[in-house]
Amino acid sequence: DTEVTQTPKHLVMGMTNKKSLKCEQHMGHRAMYWYKQKAKKPPELMFVYSYEKLSINESVPSRFSPECPNSSLLNLHLHALQPEDSALYLCASSQGLARDGYGYTFGSGTRLTVV
Amino acid sequence: LAKTTQPISMDSYEGQEVNITCSHNNIATNDYITWYQQFPSQGPRFIIQGYKTKVTNEVASLFIPADRKSSTLSLPRVSLSDTAVYYCLVVWGNEKLTFGTGTRLTIIP
Repeated sequence: DTEVTQTPKHLVMGMTNKKSLKCEQHMGHRAMYWYKQKAKKPPELMFVYSYEKLSINESVPSRFSPECPNSSLLNLHLHALQPEDSALYLCASSQGLARDGYGYTFGSGTRLTVV
Repeated sequence: LAKTTQPISMDSYEGQEVNITCSHNNIATNDYITWYQQFPSQGPRFIIQGYKTKVTNEVASLFIPADRKSSTLSLPRVSLSDTAVYYCLVVWGNEKLTFGTGTRLTIIP
């Protein structure tokens, strides 16, 4: 298995809802990431987990809450989002550091719409 | 963190070789240059990475001059399916992968 699987593919939620995005990989990768991508913009890093511990939080608002239950799973819990949070949310994983030639494997993303 | 500069867009005809140049003037000694490809509504896909001189794999070549202040991604004999956004990134010693604005490549039949 050489994929990163994200579910759901599409999600519409109200501003008072609580929802979760799920990401799964079975490649034994040690690091997992959440990125946010607005239309026609580059992906922006949100969180990095290394060996199941949060190592980087790019000053993301607390309405986004990441969780790494085990080495294969990464969740992003959403609560009280705003319409401007509508975007493509991408999960990625890597076996090692980018400088050592380990490319990141991205999932296809969850298209989130906040109404 | 070294900033990268790429052309916003490029057009090319099918069957031609396409070269996309990236400028990274303040690249540091330990930095590597990495390229990703992204199709609409998909995550970016790793293409190639290099440190100096030339790197080649089954899909592309990466040329890096001695001063390392720029790099060129070369795509041989492009097809319509190569239409995508191509990102040049400088990666360093931690886990952050920062994307620039990228180059939107359009292949014309």
